[in-house]
Amino acid sequence: GDSVTQMEGPVTLSEEAFLTINCTYTATGYPSLFWYVQYPGEGLQLLLKATKADDKGSNKGFEATYRKETTSFHLEKGSVQVSDSAVYFCALSDWGRGNKLVFGAGTILRVKS
Amino acid sequence: NAGVMQNPRHLVRRRGQEARLRCSPMKGHSHVYWYRQLPEEGLKFMVYLQKENIIDESGMPKERFSAEFPKEGPSILRIQQVVRGDSAAYFCASSPPSTGSRTGELFFGEGSRLTVL
Repeated sequence: GDSVTQMEGPVTLSEEAFLTINCTYTATGYPSLFWYVQYPGEGLQLLLKATKADDKGSNKGFEATYRKETTSFHLEKGSVQVSDSAVYFCALSDWGRGNKLVFGAGTILRVKS
Repeated sequence: NAGVMQNPRHLVRRRGQEARLRCSPMKGHSHVYWYRQLPEEGLKFMVYLQKENIIDESGMPKERFSAEFPKEGPSILRIQQVVRGDSAAYFCASSPPSTGSRTGELFFGEGSRLTVL
């Protein structure tokens, strides 16, 4: 079945450092790809998305490019802030196979001031 | 416009009791999804419902778990005879009638955290 694999955390960075969180996927169809963020004690919020190969999703300084050839959707940010500390989930939705999202295990990001 | 509302936020039950979790979708949303997040794990799909219909329950355990989304009122996830392994955060998400299913964008509630003693 479809699956998403994320780099294990926690990832600990100093403020203004560069962030990369790796995400790769396995899918038999043509999925849309997403990054969701979960702040402590809250639900998940959509951070960015890409619906086809070579699309770049971006929001709040975060970016991710849909790479079909490497089946990847790595999340990047040039300069992290303390307020970016959260859990980040990579997910895919292959709407040809139903309406559910398949999530990775999540990566904890901790940013120190 | 209120977001997805879940209650209770925290629920404690003893083994063998029943747990009922409620979810009110965003206004105008008619699709509801339930996910379970076990400690140190990602979210696992449980069930997808529309008003008065279960569309996909492929992630629901075969026994003790049930879900409904009546014509009026919130969606309910019901867990009978809870066991310690049911301790988790249960998240509800909703989407609009047509666009959500194609873009995959779901709007999540803050979750209900079930602890089974």
